[in-house]
Amino acid sequence: QVQLVESGGGVVRPGRSLRLSCAASGFTFSSSSMLWVRQAPGTGLEWVAVISYDGSEKYYADSVKGRFTISRDNSRNTVFLQMNSLRVEDTAVYYCVSEPSIGRFENWGQGTQATVSS
Amino acid sequence: QTVVTQEPSLTVSPGGTVTLTCGSSTGAVTSGSYPNWFQHKPGQPPRSLIYHTDNRHSWTPARFSGSLLGGKAALTLSDVQPEDEAEYYCLLFFNPIWIFGGGTNLTVL
Repeated sequence: QVQLVESGGGVVRPGRSLRLSCAASGFTFSSSSMLWVRQAPGTGLEWVAVISYDGSEKYYADSVKGRFTISRDNSRNTVFLQMNSLRVEDTAVYYCVSEPSIGRFENWGQGTQATVSS
Repeated sequence: QTVVTQEPSLTVSPGGTVTLTCGSSTGAVTSGSYPNWFQHKPGQPPRSLIYHTDNRHSWTPARFSGSLLGGKAALTLSDVQPEDEAEYYCLLFFNPIWIFGGGTNLTVL
């Protein structure tokens, strides 16, 4: 069955970095775009970033542009989110999501908690 | 700044029908916005329900249906069950980015 397993969350100081990973299995990872979505405490879902199936296209929400980088390794069926210059407002549960064709979002991981606090 | 708007909260009786809507500050929502709908319950990851306006996933119960209604995307729940109580989010495409609505808290009472 399809599995998306996020890891890499933790507690960091403002201005520091975290690298999230999402290991995928059970579907053709190399054919699927992948996204990161987050949910800050007490708020709704926020789309963060997307990467195309081959990594050639990447897009970001304005709130993270210039600080976050999405990447993927199709040989390892893994997508990453490098988060630099972290702010308190980046505190959230981060989910990875599969998009096997444009506009068709399918499977979600369980999420990983990233907390930015002084 | 583009905003996607949903009803903050709705209440429905068990066995009833309710429609949630999803609008855009830029104008009418069309199929080109690739409307998606998600269900989110506390302590669980979100679950995808509807894609491309009106397509159910294999796991989506038939009582959930998507459509375009009056310039908005809509999610209709028929024969509502107690387990349908949840937060519901829509997601729209504004090439090349995506924006979530603020969510609708659905109470089954």
